[in-house]
Amino acid sequence: DIQMTQSPSSLSASVGDRVTITCRASQDISNYLAWFQQKPGKAPKSLIYAASSLQSGVPSKFSGSGSGTDFTLTISSLRPEDFATYYCQQYNSYPVTFGGGTKVEIK
Amino acid sequence: QVQLVESGGGVVQPGRSLRLSCAASGFTFSSDGMHWVRQAPGKGLEWLAVISYDGNNKYYADSVKGRFIISRDNSKNTLYLQMNSLRAEDTAVYYCAKDNSFWGSYTVYWGQGTLVTVSS
Repeated sequence: DIQMTQSPSSLSASVGDRVTITCRASQDISNYLAWFQQKPGKAPKSLIYAASSLQSGVPSKFSGSGSGTDFTLTISSLRPEDFATYYCQQYNSYPVTFGGGTKVEIK
Repeated sequence: QVQLVESGGGVVQPGRSLRLSCAASGFTFSSDGMHWVRQAPGKGLEWLAVISYDGNNKYYADSVKGRFIISRDNSKNTLYLQMNSLRAEDTAVYYCAKDNSFWGSYTVYWGQGTLVTVSS
């Protein structure tokens, strides 16, 4: 199985900050990587697919990059509604696997 | 718009069975693969199973292989998860999710989840 390692597991940031979250795959997954946002008590919401493609309706302050084994999600200019937990997901091969999550908290 | 509504959760004793359903609307259900994903209280996301658009291909996580069965009824636009031999560690919110393709893509839309509690 492909292991997905996210870092950091949590971070504190202020409104207006730029935030970068990293996801590393245990083997090459090409660009078969998605990012999700989850708020407490809610279902995950798709943000990015194919490593860098923005899901329809998602604001352009979210961006993704990377290929192979190393990927990043960047949130430019944090807003209060962006404080949530973010997960990466590889879908290069089954079983699909998720990173452990990154909780973005208000400083 | 895409809507996925899970049902069937509740409290069940260890060793018993439960069947979850996911009613789909707003898209052509028979054209897309479907997944089940769960989240234990306070924990991260765990992918469980996928079924292809026509039901002919399935794949399971090792943690549920041999105990859980994914199935679908395209005439009813409904996805199912039959859960047998339940354990305390199966306690979680269970989400159904739509694949972005007929098979082998990411989970583009998610339902709101249904809580399963395994306890005596």
